[in-house]
Amino acid sequence: GAVVSQHPSWVICKSGTSVKIECRSLDFQATTMFWYRQFPKQSLMLMATSNEGSKATYEQGVEKDKFLINHASLTLSTLTVTSAHPEDSSFYICSARTGGTTDTQYFGPGTRLTVL
Amino acid sequence: GENVEQHPSTLSVQEGDSAVIKCTYSDSASNYFPWYKQELGKRPQLIIDIRSNVGEKKDQRIAVTLNKTAKHFSLHITETQPEDSAVYFCAASKGGRRALTFGSGTRLQVQP
Repeated sequence: GAVVSQHPSWVICKSGTSVKIECRSLDFQATTMFWYRQFPKQSLMLMATSNEGSKATYEQGVEKDKFLINHASLTLSTLTVTSAHPEDSSFYICSARTGGTTDTQYFGPGTRLTVL
Repeated sequence: GENVEQHPSTLSVQEGDSAVIKCTYSDSASNYFPWYKQELGKRPQLIIDIRSNVGEKKDQRIAVTLNKTAKHFSLHITETQPEDSAVYFCAASKGGRRALTFGSGTRLQVQP
């Protein structure tokens, strides 16, 4: 299957700082990437849809000024958690669609964010 | 929007038995239904998927069935093994650039 990488795999930061998470499709171009958030023992909740060359589409209840998404190229999307607080601590996972006839969604390995 | 319900939330079976996980969806326009396996702290891994033009798909010990009329789809795992133990998520999507809507997950425990 297609490979999606995510960096960093884990990060610990102080409250009030900003954290950037990168999501890359390594062997295919992804015009659309997605960002999910997962709390312990819960399902994946979609935060936003990231489209290359245009603004991200945020789900209801997700603060766009807090979770900045930039889809700079067909292989890279970034999520920046601004002014992070302890309640932002979570597992953030990106995914990318291959498009075309197979059109399958593959996930990155996730980033565990802990805000102290 | 789409709503996906998944049952059961936990499932314990003996090694060698079969396991069945069921999902229902609300939006009749959904046409893509993947299943993901997630081990603790790891990424969801696609194990099988089905599109709305197909009623059943099988890959070795794993099969998925889809009933478009009733708007439900199921995952069947036969001859379960301890390494099948994980959380399984169903999902639904309308295709194109649409995101997946996930079910709440099923924690499968295969007892050796």
